[in-house]
Amino acid sequence: GQQVMQIPQYQHVQEGEDFTTYCNSSTTLSNIQWYKQRPGGHPVFLIQLVKSGEVKKQKRLTFQFGEAKKNSSLHITATQTTDVGTYFCLTDSWGKFQFGAGTQVVVTP
Amino acid sequence: GAGVSQSPRYKVAKRGQDVALRCDPISGHVSLFWYQQALGQGPEFLTYFQNEAQLDKSGLPSDRFFAERPEGSVSTLKIQRTQQEDSAVYLCASSTRTGLHYGYTFGSGTRLTVV
Repeated sequence: GQQVMQIPQYQHVQEGEDFTTYCNSSTTLSNIQWYKQRPGGHPVFLIQLVKSGEVKKQKRLTFQFGEAKKNSSLHITATQTTDVGTYFCLTDSWGKFQFGAGTQVVVTP
Repeated sequence: GAGVSQSPRYKVAKRGQDVALRCDPISGHVSLFWYQQALGQGPEFLTYFQNEAQLDKSGLPSDRFFAERPEGSVSTLKIQRTQQEDSAVYLCASSTRTGLHYGYTFGSGTRLTVV
């Protein structure tokens, strides 16, 4: 079956630094979504990527979908303490949905 | 309503007890999903409804799990003869679109603890 891997599992970042988290699928995807879950909270939708090579930006967040539509990345610049949480990718392989295990982000002031 | 509402927020069940978890999606949302999230893990797909039709129940871990959405709005996830491994947060999410998804809106979840 489809495998979804998110790396790294944990990310400790100094406030003001940049970091990137990656989501890799063993199968080609129809689209991919990213969610953020704060500690004790529920996942909140961030973005959806559909097209090969697509890049979308939301303020300090940059999302990219790979050319082969099998991987995606989330890059955060100038990390702030409000970025704390776990970032999940949700892959859609033509009606089969699977969340990655998430990247837990801890920000040190 | 303004968001996805789940109840109860917390549930403690004795092993062997039956439980029912309720999800009230955003009004007009066609698609409804149930996920199970263990501590420190990503949500695991359980089942998917489009209106009242249950289109995919491949994620339900056993025949003790049953979900319904009889009128295409409120959904109930029922777990019979609960076991300790059923302890998790059960998340409900709804979406405006059928097929392709334009982002789920999640409820706050029901934290089930089986003792």
